[in-house]
Amino acid sequence: NAGVTQTPKFRVLKTGQSMTLLCAQDMNHEYMYWYRQDPGMGLRLIHYSVGEGTTAKGEVPDGYNVSRLKKQNFLLGLESAAPSQTSVYFCASSYSHPANTGELFFGEGSRLTVL
Amino acid sequence: AQSVTQLGSHVSVSEGALVLLRCNYSSSVPPYLFWYVQYPNQGLQLLLKYTSAATLVKGINGFEAEFKKSETSFHLTKPSAHMSDAAEYFCAVSATSITGKLIFGQGTTLQVKP
Repeated sequence: NAGVTQTPKFRVLKTGQSMTLLCAQDMNHEYMYWYRQDPGMGLRLIHYSVGEGTTAKGEVPDGYNVSRLKKQNFLLGLESAAPSQTSVYFCASSYSHPANTGELFFGEGSRLTVL
Repeated sequence: AQSVTQLGSHVSVSEGALVLLRCNYSSSVPPYLFWYVQYPNQGLQLLLKYTSAATLVKGINGFEAEFKKSETSFHLTKPSAHMSDAAEYFCAVSATSITGKLIFGQGTTLQVKP
């Protein structure tokens, strides 16, 4: 009964380093999302995907790239990390239209610190 | 375009008191509205949702919310707070039913005092 799993859960990077966050879901959901959570700003959408092989930009996409090579996985990459990318990152998934009524299933988050 | 405003970043109530968390939305189309709850060091989970059916929506753990179109509001209430209700609460509006994207408010931290 895993649901949405994110790895790693914690990571510390130096400015300019690269890394990839992995999100895996076992609910056969079509849609997947990456959000970042910052104090006082709620959750902001970085990128999302409406199916295998597709990705689209969200509200704050700059400095991030994503890939959806397999339906169950959604990867978030930082090519050159900056301190402004220090945040908690959440992956989520959902059913596709028309079954989707907005309920997102979230992972437990990945806390990233960029020094 | 859709947006959500949560009034009050912190709300403190005594155990047993009424909980009222305020949310106002802006939407150019009939909205889908949601409340999510986040307990410490966890992801968000759905508390309740409004999808154009009944305007009074009941959720888990005794919470409910009322959709008021004239006031563009979707406030969350619970008659009697419990210590376990202490968490951060997020109101959200669906940007579109096609992609499932949600626009979240800034969040309200609920503190429950004994």
